[in-house]
Amino acid sequence: DGGITQSPKYLFRKEGQNVTLSCEQNLNHDAMYWYRQDPGQGLRLIYYSQIVNDFQKGDIAEGYSVSREKKESFPLTVTSAQKNPTAFYLCASSISPKRSGRAGDTQYFGPGTRLTVL
Amino acid sequence: AQSVSQHNHHVILSEAASLELGCNYSYGGTVNLFWYVQYPGQHLQLLLKYFSGDPLVKGIKGFEAEFIKSKFSFNLRKPSVQWSDTAEYFCAVNTNAGKSTFGDGTTLTVKP
Repeated sequence: DGGITQSPKYLFRKEGQNVTLSCEQNLNHDAMYWYRQDPGQGLRLIYYSQIVNDFQKGDIAEGYSVSREKKESFPLTVTSAQKNPTAFYLCASSISPKRSGRAGDTQYFGPGTRLTVL
Repeated sequence: AQSVSQHNHHVILSEAASLELGCNYSYGGTVNLFWYVQYPGQHLQLLLKYFSGDPLVKGIKGFEAEFIKSKFSFNLRKPSVQWSDTAEYFCAVNTNAGKSTFGDGTTLTVKP
């Protein structure tokens, strides 16, 4: 089956610890995205990547870091610098504008990871 | 900076009522426009999209949206809602730079 997987579904960490969320896709998409979803605030973009070894900050990148060493993987690290890390995190992928030659295409979303920092 | 505004945070309708959810965006360049839906317990998924051409686009389950360029709007409509349309709806824009922005979402509750 083609799609996006995120693991784990639920994650608990102690305050002050870094934690890495996994996102893998087998859709052969160049672009990948990380969002944070909080009640009443929609999806806010954390980081996005249009191609391997390249990524850009989104609207709320502070306290987060990413890497894009492989096309199919885009892990997100929530660092101890993130002041309010407890949230639902969504990963998505799409055809890259660089490949399609137009503005961003449909995004396909994973099931999400709910992170709770105690 | 691009932004998306959804006018309704929570809409409650009875079955068979008509639906219109407002969405306005701000961005000076070329955009693609989307409506996504998140049914209870399911992944966020595409409802419909507009790239170019006919500004009235049709999506799944009888939904449609109209792009009005002069108003920077992309409102979602459905003539007759069903109980199964209960979900959260998100308007989104993507730009040539690859960045995407979502609205805050509208929760639709349809009473049977």
